[in-house]
Amino acid sequence: EVQLLQSGGHLVQPGGSLRISCAASGFTFSSYDMNWVRQAPGKGLEWVSTVRSTSGDTYYADSVKGRFTATRDNSENTVYLQMNEVRADDTAVYYCAKDAVPFGDFPLLGDWGQGTPVTVSS
Amino acid sequence: EIVLTQSPATLSLSPGERATLSCRASQSVGTYLVWYQQKPGQAPRLLIYDASHKATGVPRRFTGSGSGTDFTLTISSLESEDFAVYYCQQRRNWPITFGQGTRLDIK
Repeated sequence: EVQLLQSGGHLVQPGGSLRISCAASGFTFSSYDMNWVRQAPGKGLEWVSTVRSTSGDTYYADSVKGRFTATRDNSENTVYLQMNEVRADDTAVYYCAKDAVPFGDFPLLGDWGQGTPVTVSS
Repeated sequence: EIVLTQSPATLSLSPGERATLSCRASQSVGTYLVWYQQKPGQAPRLLIYDASHKATGVPRRFTGSGSGTDFTLTISSLESEDFAVYYCQQRRNWPITFGQGTRLDIK
């Protein structure tokens, strides 16, 4: 059974930094791209980042490019999102999501973590 | 960036009725269109991929159709567990984008 266990919620001040994580089990982690998707309170879904399965190449939404960095550790079956220079509009639940197919091209979000709430406020 | 526009924003129907949800893309995405269902307090769930293919475990009453710029998710006969928010997503180009969602409410 696929499990994606995300780290706990955070309250961080504007301009601050934090790292959230997603520990995976139940599948061959190194074969699947991993993704981050966020959802602001009462709002829709917004794709944030994709980390490729083996190369670790990354893609980012313009809204986070240059501030957020997604990485993965295939030896620990974990994906991370480092969030720097956070702003109030980064407040959201952050979901990690596993691609539905191995070595995919564009994201197809088959399994999701439980979400990590991040609140940016002074 | 490909913009996805979902309609209607809210759909109020009764159990047993047919639901038709629309997703229109600002440019062609071929058949690289995905549908998700999200219930309150839960993560989204993959329903339909590549316009018309059901994900594992998705009931027969869910059908996806369309290509190019116009797509439809049809629920043939609504059951109580179907009342949720539905999102479309394109996976044709970076950045991948989502529609703003259609809320399906019980009438």
